[in-house]
Amino acid sequence: DVKVTQSSRYLVKRTGEKVFLECVQDMDHENMFWYRQDPGLGLRLIYFSYDVKMKEKGDIPEGYSVSREKKERFSLILESASTNQTSMYLCASSGWGGAYEQYFGPGTRLTVT
Amino acid sequence: KQEVTQIPAALSVPEGENLVLNCSFTDSAIYNLQWFRQDPGKGLTSLLLIQSSQREQTSGRLNASLDKSSGRSTLYIAASQPGDSATYLCAARGGTASKLTFGTGTRLQVTL
Repeated sequence: DVKVTQSSRYLVKRTGEKVFLECVQDMDHENMFWYRQDPGLGLRLIYFSYDVKMKEKGDIPEGYSVSREKKERFSLILESASTNQTSMYLCASSGWGGAYEQYFGPGTRLTVT
Repeated sequence: KQEVTQIPAALSVPEGENLVLNCSFTDSAIYNLQWFRQDPGKGLTSLLLIQSSQREQTSGRLNASLDKSSGRSTLYIAASQPGDSATYLCAARGGTASKLTFGTGTRLQVTL
């Protein structure tokens, strides 16, 4: 059974804190993704990675960075959290090619106060 | 830039009805189209994936079709049940990248 796990389901942080969101997949997938989901705006891609140590900006990378040191793990970093980063964060992974589905983790609800 | 639209935004049907959810996309150069289900406060569950060379895919009571030339996909749910109540999202994977472009979803409620 495919599995994408995220380190926390709920997280509350203060403005200015450095925040780490961790994602692990057990499917040996090359591609990993970080999205945020907000009411009325849908899912928006923050960053993705197609290989270890490789990363590409998505549609809204400002205020975020990522790290992929191992194939199975993709971390999203908020260098200095702000209230407008309060959101649901979703991690996903997929293999190469058009036959591969994208699988999602359960999400992390982050609140920045 | 790919844009994906889902209509209607919300739908309420009585149990047992067959229903169709619509998804349209602006750029027909897609690798595949994927349908997801999302329950409140949860992640996305993949339902069906249709590759660009395929016309439809079926899984149980679900059938998804793809018409690239018209930029449309539909998700057909047969004999709806209250457990089908959720938000349904479609997403198009385009070009050489692995990125998905998501629609904003259709919130489905199936009533008893």
